[in-house]
Amino acid sequence: GIQVEQSPPDLILQEGANSTLRCNFSDSVNNLQWFHQNPWGQLINLFYIPSGTKQNGRLSATTVATERYSLLYISSSQTTDSGVYFCAVGLEGAQKLVFGQGTRLTINP
Amino acid sequence: NAGVMQNPRHLVRRRGQEARLRCSPMKGHSHVYWYRQLPEEGLKFMVYLQKENIIDESGMPKERFSAEFPKEGPSILRIQQVVRGDSAAYFCASSPTGFSGYTFGSGTRLTVV
Repeated sequence: GIQVEQSPPDLILQEGANSTLRCNFSDSVNNLQWFHQNPWGQLINLFYIPSGTKQNGRLSATTVATERYSLLYISSSQTTDSGVYFCAVGLEGAQKLVFGQGTRLTINP
Repeated sequence: NAGVMQNPRHLVRRRGQEARLRCSPMKGHSHVYWYRQLPEEGLKFMVYLQKENIIDESGMPKERFSAEFPKEGPSILRIQQVVRGDSAAYFCASSPTGFSGYTFGSGTRLTVV
């Protein structure tokens, strides 16, 4: 089946720093989403981005489908950005998502 | 417009009991998905349902687990004769026809004692 690899697995930064999270996937996909799981366990949908670039405030994401990777950028990090960031992909013709193992981001004040 | 509603938020069951998890999709969403998250892991697909139909149950364990999405009412994930290994967070997601991404509920955290 499709493989989804996220890097780095852990990232510790000071408040105000910028970060880039990467997601590599092994097959063509028709869906890619980034989620933030906060310390209370809630999953927040950040981006639906099977291709191209999107921005929402301090967050932006880019997916290069032909090269099978996606990047999530977080600028001017805040402590509330802490949590686990998941990339999830959906295969051509299927609606289920395959999740990566996540990047655990810790923002220290 | 309420989001995806899951209840209960927390559920404790003794080994051998039954667990029933409920999910009401967002208004206008006709597709429901169930995922399981074991501690310190990513989410794993379990089952995809539309009203009164199971579309894909390739991630469901063969025994003790079942899911339904009736014409009226919420989707139900049912786990019979629970064991300690069933302890996990169970998330439900929904999407509209003309897929444009999922919205997840807040999850049900099942603890089997």
